[in-house]
Amino acid sequence: QQPVQSPQAVILREGEDAVINCSSSKALYSVHWYRQKHGEAPVFLMILLKGGEQKGHDKISASFNEKKQQSSLYLTASQLSYSGTYFCGTSYRTGTASKLTFGTGTRLQVTL
Amino acid sequence: DGGITQSPKYLFRKEGQNVTLSCEQNLNHDAMYWYRQDPGQGLRLIYYSQIVNDFQKGDIAEGYSVSREKKESFPLTVTSAQKNPTAFYLCASSTSGRETQYFGPGTRLLVL
Repeated sequence: QQPVQSPQAVILREGEDAVINCSSSKALYSVHWYRQKHGEAPVFLMILLKGGEQKGHDKISASFNEKKQQSSLYLTASQLSYSGTYFCGTSYRTGTASKLTFGTGTRLQVTL
Repeated sequence: DGGITQSPKYLFRKEGQNVTLSCEQNLNHDAMYWYRQDPGQGLRLIYYSQIVNDFQKGDIAEGYSVSREKKESFPLTVTSAQKNPTAFYLCASSTSGRETQYFGPGTRLLVL
């Protein structure tokens, strides 16, 4: 079942913050966040495993709320390079190969 | 340099024709995946393979076929049974036991 991302789109001025949410109706094992620039391949940002951990590097971080079956991606002090479409991919069980189900994406545009 | 390569970058298909998209990786990953992306949409799983000589259908396998004769290679054939093949096709791979998927640059398929 496809996770639901919100918002669908957001426009920011450089330096502003944004939060992107990813919600599932099924019990999550892991959440993967990717950013895709137009016409390019998705680039891996981070993975969160069940346990409610929070991860981050530089000004991009994410949290995983196991009770709510939701993950949030936090973009602080946004830069022009943050523009793109952000996807969450969710998995529901462990295994040697994870079958991810992706949300429809959140389009982020950062302007001057 | 390790990575995933896909060829060709653009592919044109005539009505009733089968075409094959190439995906090669030198990351020594056990698992490989094929996704389809339509404009403004998320990624939908076509097929995935956990080990050589084994593969499973994803969510939209109809009209597609794959093979996994070598660990490094996972070609996708778009058959004439796929009536709406125009899309961006992405190949990904991951290590067995880890779930991070890394994507190739993609192939854009167009119908003449």
